[in-house]
This record gives sequence, C-alpha cells and structure tokens, in this order.
Amino acid sequence: GAGVSQSPSNKVTEKGKDVELRCDPISGHTALYWYRQSLGQGLEFLIYFQGNSAPDKSGLPSDRFSAERTGGSVSTLTIQRTQQEDSAVYLCASSLLAGMDTQYFGPGTRLTVL
Amino acid sequence: AQTVTQSQPEMSVQEAETVTLSCTYDTSESDYYLFWYKQPPSRQMILVIRQEAYKQQNATENRFSVNFQKAAKSFSLKISDSQLGDAAMYFCAYKKGNTPLVFGKGTRLSVIA
Repeated sequence: GAGVSQSPSNKVTEKGKDVELRCDPISGHTALYWYRQSLGQGLEFLIYFQGNSAPDKSGLPSDRFSAERTGGSVSTLTIQRTQQEDSAVYLCASSLLAGMDTQYFGPGTRLTVL
Repeated sequence: AQTVTQSQPEMSVQEAETVTLSCTYDTSESDYYLFWYKQPPSRQMILVIRQEAYKQQNATENRFSVNFQKAAKSFSLKISDSQLGDAAMYFCAYKKGNTPLVFGKGTRLSVIA
C-alpha cells in the first residue's frame, strides 16, 4: 500500500509567519510521530500520537509549536511566528502501534525561514 | 535518558568491499529494540534492519547484518559487497516501549567505484 506522505515537500517562509505541515500516515497505523532534523544533526523528537490518547508533547521546543491529528489519521504540525532557527527538515513517521513496531517515515518537509 | 552514539561521522568503502558502522547506546532497560535507518539524499528514511534486545541471534537482511553485543551496549552494522546505492547517511536508533525513537547523529557513508 501507499507509504507515509508529507506536504509540502519544501516550504520557504518569512520570519514571523505561521506555517502548517501535513502528514498522511499509512492507512491503519495508529501511532504517528513528528521529528525534526536540523542541518548536520540527528533526528529530534517533537510529538507523538497514539490512537485516541492524549499526545506526548514532551519534545516540542516551544509553545510556538503545536500539532493535531484529526480522525486518527492526518496530522498537521503548526509553527507560529517562525524563527530562523526553525529551519530544518520535518519528518513524520507512523507505526501500527506505539510499542515496539517499526516506524515508517515520510519524505519530509524542508522548511526554510528567511 | 537513553543516548545513542555514532562515533564515526564519515566512512568510505570501496565498491564490493565490506564496511562496519559503529553504534553504542546507554540504557538501564533490558527489553528494547534497536534499528538502523538509511537516509539517501532524497531524505526518505528507510529501515535497514532491526534487532530485538531479547534475541541473542544477530539480525540479518541480505547484505546487511548486525553485531549486537548487549552487555557492551554495542550495535554495529556490517554492509557486505558494498554497492554505489548504499551511499547515504546511516542512523542508529533505540526504542523502548511507547516512547519515540532516540537517534544517533549519523554516519555518512561514501562508496567509491
């Protein structure tokens, strides 16, 4: 079946603007994760959703970052009042369950804040 | 907190040769999973191989195999018969229960024709 998809592929925005990044997980996957990959760095966890449970937001770097997941499927990551340090690749992953299941990644959204 | 360390920022290998990428991790848990992901220039993170900590047998996937040393908290990846398409960033990752993956900073592998 189809893999994890993300849109847009690339986003260029001006400092101070809000952006929304979208993730479509693999159908049937109940767990969804957002990670951030800054230039030359590894992946940094942001937030994850498991079914109808309250999301784990422990990785969000500031209150400018928020995410929601509608209907247990599509997720949107919103960054308000973007800063230059927000420039990074934002990766979404999904897994069948949140336990030991393998996470499958989307192609990412490259965000550039000018 | 768990940490994952990849001590080799860059590695290179001749085509058809074998290369080993190192990974160590720190945890007090006994049951967890370890992964190697590959990230080519396309940015797509691709699962290479995974290892369950409770299994003593090392995982293998075609040309890819791991050397899992639980007591030493070491999880190296061996790529045999290296191909040009193996050139990518390789990330080692740790996962325990309902927690997100913890990644190392990656190793950039170059394959020389």
